[in-house]
Amino acid sequence: GNSVTQMEGPVTLSEEAFLTINCTYTATGYPSLFWYVQYPGEGLQLLLKATKADDKGSNKGFEATYRKETTSFHLEKGSVQVSDSAVYFCALSDQQGAQKLVFGQGTRLTINP
Amino acid sequence: GAGVSQTPSNKVTEKGKYVELRCDPISGHTALYWYRQSLGQGPEFLIYFQGTGAADDSGLPNDRFFAVRPEGSVSTLKIQRTERGDSAVYLCASSLTSVPSTDTQYFGPGTRLTVL
Repeated sequence: GNSVTQMEGPVTLSEEAFLTINCTYTATGYPSLFWYVQYPGEGLQLLLKATKADDKGSNKGFEATYRKETTSFHLEKGSVQVSDSAVYFCALSDQQGAQKLVFGQGTRLTINP
Repeated sequence: GAGVSQTPSNKVTEKGKYVELRCDPISGHTALYWYRQSLGQGPEFLIYFQGTGAADDSGLPNDRFFAVRPEGSVSTLKIQRTERGDSAVYLCASSLTSVPSTDTQYFGPGTRLTVL
């Protein structure tokens, strides 16, 4: 079945550092790919998404590119801020009919000032 | 506008008891989803409704779990004979339609269920 594997955390960086959180997936067909974020004390929010190969999703300075050849959707940000501290989840949705999201295990990110 | 709301926010119960968890989706959203998130894990799909009917209940772990959405809006997740392993955060999400390529699932804050 479909699955998502994320870089294990926790990840701790200093403010203004470059961030990469790796995500790879296994899926049949052509899934849509997502990054969700959970800030402390808040619910899951969609951060960005990409629906087909080579699409780039972007939001709040974060980017991720749908790479079919490497089955990856790595999250990147050039300069992180303390306010980016959160848990990040990579997910996929099967466009072939199932509407459910399959999530990775999450990566906790802490940014120190 | 109002987001997805879930009640109660916390529920503590004893092993063997029956619980109901409620989800109020965003008004006008036709699709509704239930997920379960154990500590340190990502959410796991339980069931998905399109309107009043369960379109996919493949994630329900066993027949102690049941969910309804009788009028196509509010949904209730029902757990019979609760077990300690049912302890988790139960998340509800809704989307305007059910086409993942063009729609977004909006999540509620969750109900934290603790079975003693």
